[in-house]
Amino acid sequence: RKEVEQDPGPFNVPEGATVAFNCTYSNSASQSFFWYRQDCRKEPKLLMSVYSSGNEDGRFTAQLNRASQYISLLIRDSKLSDSATYLCVVILMDSSYKLIFGSGTRLLVRP
Amino acid sequence: DTEVTQTPKHLVMGMTNKKSLKCEQHMGHRAMYWYKQKAKKPPELMFVYSYEKLSINESVPSRFSPECPNSSLLNLHLHALQPEDSALYLCASSQAGTGNTGELFFGEGSRLTVL
Repeated sequence: RKEVEQDPGPFNVPEGATVAFNCTYSNSASQSFFWYRQDCRKEPKLLMSVYSSGNEDGRFTAQLNRASQYISLLIRDSKLSDSATYLCVVILMDSSYKLIFGSGTRLLVRP
Repeated sequence: DTEVTQTPKHLVMGMTNKKSLKCEQHMGHRAMYWYKQKAKKPPELMFVYSYEKLSINESVPSRFSPECPNSSLLNLHLHALQPEDSALYLCASSQAGTGNTGELFFGEGSRLTVL
């Protein structure tokens, strides 16, 4: 089983739609969680951190469910510019502080 | 613009060549990383340097040799590569140890083609 799993998609949605991605992780020692965004042929960039209480940044909402070991990202009112691959990232807070990337979920927002 | 600079942006090399990828950051980060990314796949961790010491080597073949000459520079020396090593090589930096917030700053990558 992969340490971090995501639905690869692609999710093909119209502008203005609401779309949600899930990510599951297998290591209960995972302590910190993030969503990164990667545009085609570009480097990944941090989108938002994910906190236990859930957090929101404009149209984006992230949630963490430690009991079920999954995190989610909700995008409301999708824009064309949201088209990208969304990578779930988990940090194991052992001595390595290793970041583990999920395989990514591709989002296509169409006009 | 990214604050992590990688050179060259593109590199084509034969299987007998020796080349190096370079990475530089001036954000005062003490953790630096090499990732390999194939098309439509997530970045795969290769090496981590923490305070200029190699802290993680993800069982990478010896034809890849990392070097961290100082806190701002990270190199990846390449020798006798195989065509399957063709990929985008991403350098990243972050705060180290307990200061690591999880935010990696990536360079734009060096796209390597091995003929």
